[in-house]
Amino acid sequence: SYVLTQPPSVSVAPGKTARVTCGGNKIGSKSVHWYQQKPGQAPVLVVFDDSDRPSGIPERFSASNSVNTATLTISRVEAGDEADYYCQVWDTILDHLVLGGGTKLTVL
Amino acid sequence: QITLKESGPTLVKPTQTLTLTCTFSGFSLTSSGVGVAWIRQPPGKALEWLALIFWDDDKRYSPSLKSRLTITKDTSKNQAVLTVTNVDPVDTGTYFCAHSRGTSLSPAVFDYWGQGTLVTVSS
Repeated sequence: SYVLTQPPSVSVAPGKTARVTCGGNKIGSKSVHWYQQKPGQAPVLVVFDDSDRPSGIPERFSASNSVNTATLTISRVEAGDEADYYCQVWDTILDHLVLGGGTKLTVL
Repeated sequence: QITLKESGPTLVKPTQTLTLTCTFSGFSLTSSGVGVAWIRQPPGKALEWLALIFWDDDKRYSPSLKSRLTITKDTSKNQAVLTVTNVDPVDTGTYFCAHSRGTSLSPAVFDYWGQGTLVTVSS
């Protein structure tokens, strides 16, 4: 089955740039979506189709996808960005959805 | 606006069947490209996708749980129902339902989520 690999944790100082990666075999050929989940809350979609932002998501959130790694980039990180982030794709071979294991972003 | 709400038992005994209902508003499960998914999260752990039902009644299941899951829809009631058979304490967690839409690049992206419902499996 298709596997998405995320680092368990990423730390960043306020005002700096955070990068959360999502690795997968030829993930660059797939469409990647990203979700943010704050403690005690439901997840929120922050990026879809590799790099598109839903309305209401700040421009500080951007993403890219190439070859074997997709990356969510959060610029000018704020304390309120502290959350778990999950990537998601559709496995076109087995025709079902795949979620990454999640990355905890800590704002120092 | 789109809203979803999960409902069901908070406590289930091992080996029993868990039935969860997602009641939604603001969209129809007869609209092309639309679906409803179920995702769960054990306490302190990662999200796990369980099942997805599309507008045309096409269904997809997590391979690891497929034998225990059934997802159905009732378009007249604006509901999607998930059943999990033979539950075990490891099935304890928060169960979310989510609105799924297709894009030009992907069959499913979850753009609206319910608040989740906590289910505990214990004797």
